[in-house]
Amino acid sequence: KNQVEQSPQSLIILEGKNCTLQCNYTVSPFSNLRWYKQDTGRGPVSLTIMTFSENTKSNGRYTATLDADTKQSSLHITASQLSDSASYICVVSAAGGTSYGKLTFGQGTILTVHP
Amino acid sequence: EAGVVQSPRYKIIEKKQPVAFWCNPISGHNTLYWYLQNLGQGPELLIRYENEEAVDDSQLPKDRFSAERLKGVDSTLKIQPAELGDSAVYLCASSFSQGGEQFFGPGTRLTVL
Repeated sequence: KNQVEQSPQSLIILEGKNCTLQCNYTVSPFSNLRWYKQDTGRGPVSLTIMTFSENTKSNGRYTATLDADTKQSSLHITASQLSDSASYICVVSAAGGTSYGKLTFGQGTILTVHP
Repeated sequence: EAGVVQSPRYKIIEKKQPVAFWCNPISGHNTLYWYLQNLGQGPELLIRYENEEAVDDSQLPKDRFSAERLKGVDSTLKIQPAELGDSAVYLCASSFSQGGEQFFGPGTRLTVL
């Protein structure tokens, strides 16, 4: 069964600090992995996307890494801001066959940034 | 360019009542998705449309849930009758094609009393 597990479940940090969120997946065959940011009361918004051959992707203060061998990804947030407070969801897309494009979502990591 | 539009944003109903949610996808997007998101969880796919055809509705509880996408543009998701356990956020997303990046609407938060 395709699964995506994220850790930690929640995280509290002080403004200006860095943090790293983790994602492990068992989706096969693998197409791509996205990190989404979901603000309270909003739909998820894509931050980064990585395919099998990519091992790092940056979007401003967000840097995602992918290890396709160990099926692990991380999202590193640098110099956190209050506006980074949100849920961060790891989403893996399947490749090929009837599962093509089907997304498997992690449960999300709730990040709270305090001043 | 407008994103995915959903309405209403919030809905409170009593159990056993019917409820309907509406979604207008991004113009030109052929694929439309309805997801259910419980508190503290990731979204779960209910149904996927390719144009007006429902191509994946395996996770849709068909005894009480129904959906339609007439003319392959707007879509409506209906629950009749609603149960307490249906309280959740219902997200609509669209993509240009299957496998393409999905863009999400703000969701409809349903509370069943």
